[in-house]
Amino acid sequence: NAGVTQTPKFQVLKTGQSMTLQCAQDMNHEYMSWYRQDPGMGLRLIHYSVGAGITDQGEVPNGYNVSRSTTEDFPLRLLSAAPSQTSVYFCASTLTGASLMRGEKLFFGSGTQLSVL
Amino acid sequence: SQQGEEDPQALSIQEGENATMNCSYKTSINNLQWYRQNSGRGLVHLILIRSNEREKHSGRLRVTLDTSKKSSSLLITASRAADTASYFCATVHSGAGSYQLTFGKGTKLSVIP
Repeated sequence: NAGVTQTPKFQVLKTGQSMTLQCAQDMNHEYMSWYRQDPGMGLRLIHYSVGAGITDQGEVPNGYNVSRSTTEDFPLRLLSAAPSQTSVYFCASTLTGASLMRGEKLFFGSGTQLSVL
Repeated sequence: SQQGEEDPQALSIQEGENATMNCSYKTSINNLQWYRQNSGRGLVHLILIRSNEREKHSGRLRVTLDTSKKSSSLLITASRAADTASYFCATVHSGAGSYQLTFGKGTKLSVIP
C-alpha cells in the first residue's frame, strides 16, 4: 500500500517554464489537496478537490491550475513558473471532505522541492 | 487568513525533559489536530481533539483545548532525541462552507541527547 505518491521529488525550472507536479493515492480517497510550505509560513492550501470533476481554491491559488479526472490522481500545474513559486509542495488526501470536517486526518505525500530560477 | 499561530517558533530541550508547544487560532473550530514533520518529510498526524473536549492523551502526548481562549497546547513528556521535528496544529473551522484544513506556522523542536 503506497499511500500518497508525489513525483518528482526535486525539480528546477526557469522562469516562464511550465510543469506538472503529480500526485496519486491508492486509498480510494475522495478528498485530495495541495499545500505549499515556505520557511516561516507553515503550510498554505493551494487547491483542493472533494471528488472527480470537482475542485476549489484554497488560500493561495494564483499561478496554479488543477483538475481531477480520476479519483486516484490530482495533478498541480504551473503554467508559467515564477521565482515566488519556489517552495516545497505537498499533496494530501483523506476519505471525504465531510470526514475532514469531522476530524479525519490527512495523509501526506513526501513532497516535491521546486526551485524556480 | 484563519491560520493558527504556534509558539514558540523554536524550542530546544534536553532529552528526558518535557516539551510544551502552544497554538492559537482566530475563529470557532470544529476540531483541532496536531501533526509532526521530520526534516525533509511529509506531515504525520499525531492526535485529534474535538471542540467539546478539553484534554486528550495518547502515549507521551497530552493535548489541551481552551475554546474560550481559542488556544491549544501539545505536551510531550519524557522527550527523546527521536522527537526532534517540527510540530503543527491544524484546524477545521465551523460554518466555513468549504473543506479546508488550515495549518499554523509550526514549532521546531530540538531534543538534545
